[in-house]
Amino acid sequence: QVQLVASGGGVVQPGRSLRLSCAASGFTLSSYGMHWVRQAPGKGLEWVALDGHDRYYADSVKGRFTIARDNSKNTLYLQMNSLRAEDTAVYYCARATYTTSFIFVDYWGEGTLVTVSS
Amino acid sequence: DIQMTQSPSSLSASVGDRVNITCRASQRIGNFVSWYYQKPGRAPKLLIYGASNLQSGVPSRFSGSGSGADFTLTISSLQPEDFAAYYCQQFYSTPNTFGQGTKLEIK
Repeated sequence: QVQLVASGGGVVQPGRSLRLSCAASGFTLSSYGMHWVRQAPGKGLEWVALDGHDRYYADSVKGRFTIARDNSKNTLYLQMNSLRAEDTAVYYCARATYTTSFIFVDYWGEGTLVTVSS
Repeated sequence: DIQMTQSPSSLSASVGDRVNITCRASQRIGNFVSWYYQKPGRAPKLLIYGASNLQSGVPSRFSGSGSGADFTLTISSLQPEDFAAYYCQQFYSTPNTFGQGTKLEIK
C-alpha cells in the first residue's frame, strides 16, 4: 500500500538550515508529482512547494526552500535555508495524481514538526 | 494568486444533521477543487476531487458540487466521526491555495 513517511524535523535556530525527507513506498516516485504542505500550530494548511512538470514554490519560501527528489531512493526532500520563526509548522509530504481530467493529492504522510526558535 | 474563501469558519451541528461547507475562488477554476478532512494531530484525508468525485473508500454521505468559482461540500447525515476540520484546495494554478478551513463541532 502507498506510504509516505516524513522525517528530519526538529528544533533549529533562526537563520539555520534543515533538510526534510519523505520516504515513499508502495508506488514509483518518478511517476508522480509531489507536494510539501505545512501547518503552523493551531492554523490551517499552507501549500509550500510542488515537484511536478517543474518546481513551484509559495512566495513565502521562494529563494529559501528547495524541493528535490532522488528517484533511485524513492525519496523526496525539502531543503530549508535561512529559517524564520514563521516557518515553525508540521510539514507534510503528499502525492499528486494527474489524470486526463483531474489533478489532486490522494496520499499524505503523517508530518514532521519543525520548530524555529532561539 | 487564486484566493479560496471558505465558509463558515466554524459550524456547530448534531449527529444526523445535513451540513454544507462552501468555497469561493477569486477567479473561475473549472472543477480543479479537492476537499479534505483532518482530525487533530493527523494528516488530512482526501474526500472529494475534481469538485464532485468521491475518493475511493469515502462514505457516500459526503458529496461535492460546483464548478467555475463556487463549490460546496455536503455531508448528508453527520456521524460522530465526521466532527473535524475541513479544507478545500484548488489545483487550477500554483500556488495550490487552500481555503481557511471549517471546524465542525458537536452541538
